[in-house]
Amino acid sequence: DTAVSQTPKYLVTQMGNDKSIKCEQNLGHDTMYWYKQDSKKFLKIMFSYNNKELIINETVPNRFSPKSPDKAHLNLHINSLELGDSAVYFCASSHTSTGQAGGYTFGSGTRLTVV
Amino acid sequence: AQSVTQPDIHITVSEGASLELRCNYSYGATPYLFWYVQSPGQGLQLLLKYFSGDTLVQGIKGFEAEFKRSQSSFNLRKPSVHWSDAAEYFCAVGVVEYGNKLVFGAGTILRVKS
Repeated sequence: DTAVSQTPKYLVTQMGNDKSIKCEQNLGHDTMYWYKQDSKKFLKIMFSYNNKELIINETVPNRFSPKSPDKAHLNLHINSLELGDSAVYFCASSHTSTGQAGGYTFGSGTRLTVV
Repeated sequence: AQSVTQPDIHITVSEGASLELRCNYSYGATPYLFWYVQSPGQGLQLLLKYFSGDTLVQGIKGFEAEFKRSQSSFNLRKPSVHWSDAAEYFCAVGVVEYGNKLVFGAGTILRVKS
C-alpha cells in the first residue's frame, strides 16, 4: 500500500527518557513534515524537510531533533522527555512543487504519553 | 500572520439533515485551502482542497466546499449527514512562504444524532 507509515503507534515513557518515532513514505514525495497535535486537538507544524534538508523549524525546543537519512524517511528523536511533550505526533509528506495543489498525506499518528 | 478560524467548536445535527461547517482564513496571498477529517484515534484524511479555478469544489464522501474570497471563507457542506460522518473536521490553509506548511484551525467536532 502507498502510504505514510509511522512507528510506534503508541509510546508510553517516563520523564527524562529519550525516545524516537520513525516515519516512512513510499509515495515518492520529496518533502516530509512533523506535526504535533496537543490535548486540545490543535495541530501545529514542527519541522519540514525537503530532500533531506531542513526547511522549517517552528520554534521547537532543541530537545527535539529530526533526522532525514533520505527523502523517504523522517525520524523524530526527543531527548529528556517532559510531561508537556505528551501529544499525538503526525508525520506527513507532499510534493514540494505541487504540495499545495496535491495536498499532504498524513500518517496515522503516534500517541506519546509521558508519565 | 496566517491563521484559520473555525468558529464552531461543536455542532450537532440530526442524521439526514444538511451540514455546514464554517472556516475563515487570514492570508495575504492566494490561499490554498483544505478540509481534513479525523475520526477518533485516527489520522487525518483529506476531504477536499481548493487551489484555483472553480470556487465550488467537490470532495469525498459527498462533501463540498465553497471558496469565497470576499468573505475569506471556505465553508464545508453536506446535503445529508450520515451517522458515520461524526468526527472532527479541520480546515487548513497552505502557506508557501518559508517552505510549505499547513496552518490549521482548531477543529469542529461533529455529532450526529439519530
